[in-house]
Amino acid sequence: NAGVTQTPKFRILKIGQSMTLQCAQDMNHNYMYWYRQDPGMGLKLIYYSVGAGITDKGEVPNGYNVSRSTTEDFPLRLELAAPSQTSVYFCASRGRGDSYEQYFGPGTRLTVT
Amino acid sequence: KQEVTQIPAALSVPEGENLVLNCSFTDSAIYNLQWFRQDPGKGLTSLLLIQSSQREQTSGRLNASLDKSSGRSTLYIAASQPGDSATYLCAGNNAGNMLTFGGGTRLMVKP
Repeated sequence: NAGVTQTPKFRILKIGQSMTLQCAQDMNHNYMYWYRQDPGMGLKLIYYSVGAGITDKGEVPNGYNVSRSTTEDFPLRLELAAPSQTSVYFCASRGRGDSYEQYFGPGTRLTVT
Repeated sequence: KQEVTQIPAALSVPEGENLVLNCSFTDSAIYNLQWFRQDPGKGLTSLLLIQSSQREQTSGRLNASLDKSSGRSTLYIAASQPGDSATYLCAGNNAGNMLTFGGGTRLMVKP
């Protein structure tokens, strides 16, 4: 299993541009998450999904959108990028088991200038 | 709202020392607590997960404890090595779908 994969690894955007961060998992996990990590800080939840077709907001959803058309993929869309969205973005997933343990992808480092 | 705090923010120790990393949380209705390791520029690696019904978990030289009544978790690293140098993050899970992370402790183990 590849686990949780994210693309791209790095990206530089100009203010006002849009992009989609890709996340995929091959563990047949129902639950998927997007987090952002600002320098020297912990991670904050942006959006999450409990299954295909179902998404919900996390702690910091403004400026982002998500969709979940398949179990495997959970893309994160940035519309009208702003410097405040410069961050490292992590995708995670977990199965339905009792442990609630989340597995993380390698991250996408985004700079908005 | 759950808040998670990790103190100190940075720690430097000589190789071979035993050390304790601290994590405190405000909401004791915690479902589980997870400890992660993060190397510079990398993603998160899960180290240990402690369920609310458990008091501790062990993996090799790592031991994590959970005390819900005091709102504290500790990560004990025995016989530290330079390869243990990384940032250690703790995260509390209250509602099953949201991890609340601490700011991390940046550990450096000097040879």
